[in-house]
Amino acid sequence: QKEVEQDPGPLSVPEGAIVSLNCTYSNSAFQYFMWYRQYSRKGPELLMYTYSSGNKEDGRFTAQVDKSSKYISLFIRDSQPSDSATYLCAMRLNSGGYQKVTFGTGTKLQVIP
Amino acid sequence: KAGVTQTPRYLIKTRGQQVTLSCSPISGHRSVSWYQQTPGQGLQFLFEYFSETQRNKGNFPGRFSGRQFSNSRSEMNVSTLELGDSALYLCASSLSQGRTGELFFGEGSRLTVL
Repeated sequence: QKEVEQDPGPLSVPEGAIVSLNCTYSNSAFQYFMWYRQYSRKGPELLMYTYSSGNKEDGRFTAQVDKSSKYISLFIRDSQPSDSATYLCAMRLNSGGYQKVTFGTGTKLQVIP
Repeated sequence: KAGVTQTPRYLIKTRGQQVTLSCSPISGHRSVSWYQQTPGQGLQFLFEYFSETQRNKGNFPGRFSGRQFSNSRSEMNVSTLELGDSALYLCASSLSQGRTGELFFGEGSRLTVL
């Protein structure tokens, strides 16, 4: 079993739809939860970053963490064609003076105009 | 401020050859991590360097190695290439291993092994 599970999609939605992306994890030692966005032929870029359980909002994006269920989500409101990309969840723990970041496999999202 | 620069962007090698990839981190960043990205496995952690020292290593065979120089630039080397080594190799730098440790990625080096 992978430490981080993420549905690879692809997920195709019409413009303006609400998108829900999810990841589950098995390691309760993860402390930081992140979402990265990766456009085709580009490197991933950090989109959202959370530490505790609950919601964090940034514009059209909301990151949700439920540590008790080991489940994180990213919601995109009023989705735009420019949101078409692969979304990677990532989780970090600090151990022995170094950080370990584990990524999900990514969900490919296509927003259709 | 310049981002993370990786060279070369694309390369084609044959089985048995070796390859060296280069990464220049963002100025001031001392931590450099390397990842292998494939469609089936996603991003797999290779290793992390901080101040020229390897701090952490992923579960890859010894054919994969790396190093970091005093100016924080890093290289990774893959020897005796196999078909399965075809992947996008991503380098990420970060300011520190502190509270956020946000990773800033380069655009990657796409390796094809024939």
